[in-house]
Amino acid sequence: DAGVIQSPRHEVTEMGQEVTLRCKPISGHDYLFWYRQTMMRGLELLIYFNNNVPIDDSGMPEDRFSAKMPNASFSTLKIQPSEPRDSAVYFCASSLSLRGYTFGSGTRLTVV
Amino acid sequence: KQEVTQIPAALSVPEGENLVLNCSFTDSAIYNLQWFRQDPGKGLTSLLLIQSSQREQTSGRLNASLDKSSGRSTLYIAASQPGDSATYLCAVNNNNDMRFGAGTRLTVKP
Repeated sequence: DAGVIQSPRHEVTEMGQEVTLRCKPISGHDYLFWYRQTMMRGLELLIYFNNNVPIDDSGMPEDRFSAKMPNASFSTLKIQPSEPRDSAVYFCASSLSLRGYTFGSGTRLTVV
Repeated sequence: KQEVTQIPAALSVPEGENLVLNCSFTDSAIYNLQWFRQDPGKGLTSLLLIQSSQREQTSGRLNASLDKSSGRSTLYIAASQPGDSATYLCAVNNNNDMRFGAGTRLTVKP
């Protein structure tokens, strides 16, 4: 298995633009998580899905953030409109029945 | 709400030393605990996963222990090498809610 695949690896965008981050979990995993990592706040859970259904989105910072999982093999995290304070590394992770998490390589987002 | 603390925040040791990284958590009703390694600018690599019913897990030079009653886990690294230099993160899973510590930044000097 290729592991959890995230795209793009790097994204630079201007303030106010829409940003879409993508994640392909490990095949067969039933949980998918989106995390954000910054120097100031460390790793923060944004939202997670179980069997494609959003279970807890209490970590999503604002209405500008939204996440979808249309099927078991794909999820997106969208920021609209983006702001400089959204600059961070965004990680996707998947898990099989919560028996450990596997993380993707992350998307480094810079909003200028 | 689960709080995870890692001590020390940074550690520098000479090559060959054995070392221990510490992780403490406030809610002992955990599902499992996972240790990760993160290299600068990279993602998280899973090192060891300990289920709540287990006391320890070993992989090569790494050994992780879990004491739920005291809310502690340790990661023991034997015969450290410069390639072990990275940030080590402890993550505690309470029924779908995985909380991370801030990490310990380890430097192993040749």
